Amino acid sequence: DQQVKQNSPSLSVQEGRISILNCDYTNSMFDYFLWYKKYPAEGPTFLISISSIKDKNEDGRFTVFLNKSAKHLSLHIVPSQPGDSAVYFCAASARRAGKSTFGDGTTLTVKP
Amino acid sequence: EPEVTQTPSHQVTQMGQEVILRCVPISNHLYFYWYRQILGQKVEFLVSFYNNEISEKSEIFDDQFSVERPDGSNFTLKIRSTKLEDSAMYFCASNPGTGDHQPQHFGDGTRLSIL
Repeated sequence: DQQVKQNSPSLSVQEGRISILNCDYTNSMFDYFLWYKKYPAEGPTFLISISSIKDKNEDGRFTVFLNKSAKHLSLHIVPSQPGDSAVYFCAASARRAGKSTFGDGTTLTVKP
Repeated sequence: EPEVTQTPSHQVTQMGQEVILRCVPISNHLYFYWYRQILGQKVEFLVSFYNNEISEKSEIFDDQFSVERPDGSNFTLKIRSTKLEDSAMYFCASNPGTGDHQPQHFGDGTRLSIL
């Protein structure tokens, strides 16, 4: 039972353009959603999060949108930079300090 | 910025042997976790630990696994009798556990290779 899904294994964008990464979830109990960035041979690095009481959270070039009725969230990166090239994981949790359930990841490549 | 540190970075072990993976969580964090990622697969939750006891575990975390916080700073994962399918990256994470939802902070992982 895959509770968090990232349907696009990979995404390629040109430097300076917008990157949009998508994530769907099935568990209605999830109330906190996160995006992590991962480079090879490193652990996931926290990028941005959103609580279920909000529909948007912005931090610099990164914005996360949450559509609870569709059980969908997305990460927008504007403008994209070559250093953003990494694997991006969507994750969700159902209680404070509870376990995180991860999606399969999307490999983002930003071309100069 | 405080970090979660994990040792060793790579552990090679014969099948059937015991292995201990070590982690030093961020010092003022209260919740600790182990996750694993088998090559080519997603990051999977194994166990969470709070107030010196397991708070949640997955079906993966069977009797061959155990966790311990032996000295107030280290957080260890022991696999008693390793199997080939235990080969994976093992990530430790910690969470402040105070206030509202906060993200987990991950270490860089231990690559466990079972021969």
